[in-house]
Amino acid sequence: GIQVEQSPPDLILQEGANSTLRCNFSDSVNNLQWFHQNPWGQLINLFYIPSGTKQNGRLSATTVATERYSLLYISSSQTTDSGVYFCAVDSNYQLIWGAGTKLIIKP
Amino acid sequence: EAGVTQSPTHLIKTRGQQATLRCSPISGHTSVYWYQQALGLGLQFLLWYDEGEERNRGNFPPRFSGRQFPNYSSELNVNALELEDSALYLCASSWYGLAGVEQFFGPGTRLTVL
Repeated sequence: GIQVEQSPPDLILQEGANSTLRCNFSDSVNNLQWFHQNPWGQLINLFYIPSGTKQNGRLSATTVATERYSLLYISSSQTTDSGVYFCAVDSNYQLIWGAGTKLIIKP
Repeated sequence: EAGVTQSPTHLIKTRGQQATLRCSPISGHTSVYWYQQALGLGLQFLLWYDEGEERNRGNFPPRFSGRQFPNYSSELNVNALELEDSALYLCASSWYGLAGVEQFFGPGTRLTVL
């Protein structure tokens, strides 16, 4: 089956820093989603991005489907950005999940 | 528009008991997915329901089961609870029939088995 790998596994930054999170996947997919899981466990949809680039405020994402990777950019980090960031790819109407990147933003 | 809702928020059971978790999808969504997330780990796919039918299940024993009702809400039943069933159970909903469906998640039910 499809393998999804995220890097780095952990990231600690100072408030105001920028970061890039990566998601590699092993086969072609219909869709890719980025999520932020907050400390209370809620999964928040960030991007639905099978290909191309999207931006939403300080966050943006790029998926290069032909090369099987996606990048999530976070600019001017805030403490509220802390949490775990997951990417998940669609395979036969199911999401296959990466292990996540745990992001800690220090004030 | 209301999002995905789940109940209860927290559930405490003892080993051997049964647990029932409930999920209401976003209005208009026909698919419901259940995931288990053990503490500090990623999400594991449990079950997928659409139009009242079980479409697929993950690598979990048969004591994990569920159903989807005519109004598309769903419940997950876990029988003969074991300590390792303690986890956050997340429900998601989506449209069905489109390649590359986007899933939206509820707040989860935190199950503790003592």
